[in-house]
Amino acid sequence: QQQVKQSPQSLIVQKGGIPIINCAYENTAFDYFPWYQQFPGKGPALLIAIRPDVSEKKEGRFTISFNKSAKQFSLHIMDSQPGDSATYFCAAGEGGSEKLVFGKGTKLTVNP
Amino acid sequence: GAVVSQHPSRVICKSGTSVKIECRSLDFQATTMFWYRQFPKQSLMLMATSNEGSKATYEQGVEKDKFLINHASLTLSTLTVTSAHPEDSSFYICSAKDPPYEQYFGPGTRLTVT
Repeated sequence: QQQVKQSPQSLIVQKGGIPIINCAYENTAFDYFPWYQQFPGKGPALLIAIRPDVSEKKEGRFTISFNKSAKQFSLHIMDSQPGDSATYFCAAGEGGSEKLVFGKGTKLTVNP
Repeated sequence: GAVVSQHPSRVICKSGTSVKIECRSLDFQATTMFWYRQFPKQSLMLMATSNEGSKATYEQGVEKDKFLINHASLTLSTLTVTSAHPEDSSFYICSAKDPPYEQYFGPGTRLTVT
């Protein structure tokens, strides 16, 4: 029940494409859903996060879509660039808890 | 976003020695910090949660006597790998919580035990 299932495991798109990464959760107590971007040999960087009171949030080229009834959320990257090639992790947290539960990650490759 | 630093970025040590890794929140006070371990091409494995001024809470299967965590101030937490062995070689990453929700990661420390 504490798991966050992330798919796909890897994704290859052409420059300008819109990669979509999906995550699903079971614990209805989760109320915070961040996405992290990690480059090889670096720590994850907080990209964007959403609370369940909204269904969509945009920051620059990154958009989170959230479906509370389906217990799913996804990351869309508009006009993807080769520099977006990285591993992306979704996570979920519960307000009263300190911990985040992470998905297994998606390796994104954006070809020139 | 908030900045978390980690030192050192890379360390090589001999088997049987101890290594200390520092994690600092540079522009905010973090009452809670976390230590993760990451194996190649895998997700983040939470090792322990550290609260300022109290004992760390370790995840199941993590040896607390091997991985000593100290959170002495609101901006500093340390992880000491005691009597390191080659199987402890890994990428260790800390994170700090900027209340109420955001968690920011450090750049990581690559530990190699020879």
